Amino acid sequence: DQQVKQNSPSLSVQEGRISILNCDYTNSMFDYFLWYKKYPAEGPTFLISISSIKDKNEDGRFTVFLNKSAKHLSLHIVPSQPGDSAVYFCAASVLTGANNLFFGTGTRLTVIP
Amino acid sequence: EAQVTQNPRYLITVTGKKLTVTCSQNMNHEYMSWYRQDPGLGLRQIYYSMNVEVTDKGDVPEGYKVSRKEKRNFPLILESPSPNQTSLYFCASSLSPGLAGYEQYFGPGTRLTVT
Repeated sequence: DQQVKQNSPSLSVQEGRISILNCDYTNSMFDYFLWYKKYPAEGPTFLISISSIKDKNEDGRFTVFLNKSAKHLSLHIVPSQPGDSAVYFCAASVLTGANNLFFGTGTRLTVIP
Repeated sequence: EAQVTQNPRYLITVTGKKLTVTCSQNMNHEYMSWYRQDPGLGLRQIYYSMNVEVTDKGDVPEGYKVSRKEKRNFPLILESPSPNQTSLYFCASSLSPGLAGYEQYFGPGTRLTVT
């Protein structure tokens, strides 16, 4: 059973506009959330994370929002750039656990120049 | 350069022929893990290791073995590969469980095809 879900397999956005990638989770024990970015023929690379004690974390053009009551998080990229075109994975974990990450199925973002 | 390396990057084999995919990290990380990525399923954890000689099953451990005899190495062993193990495999490592170490660093992946 998929505990972390990304319901949009793909997203296309014009360069300079905002990209919003969404993620839902079902396990209320999750208290740490991460976004990874993956280019073809490479491994995923860490992008940004958020603890459940926060509802927002910002790093440059990337902002992650967490809505615990809705069990939903989103990644905003502003402004989007062609180099942002990649597959984005949402992941969740339990801080007091064994550092095991539960991944979503990924969203392929295409930024159109 | 801090990195996780995997070998081989590509492997085509036949059913039942034992194989090993190596994984090595040079960051002195305690935690290491193996994932497989399949279309529509995302990344699923196979096995993980909290430290040397400590390993445990992830979500999809059937058909796989691992060992952690040294901190830097975490090989994935398929004793008798089957076609349903055709997948893209990633090794990952992180400093340690805990807030500062939750970001996992991934290797470049091993594309395995079992015929």
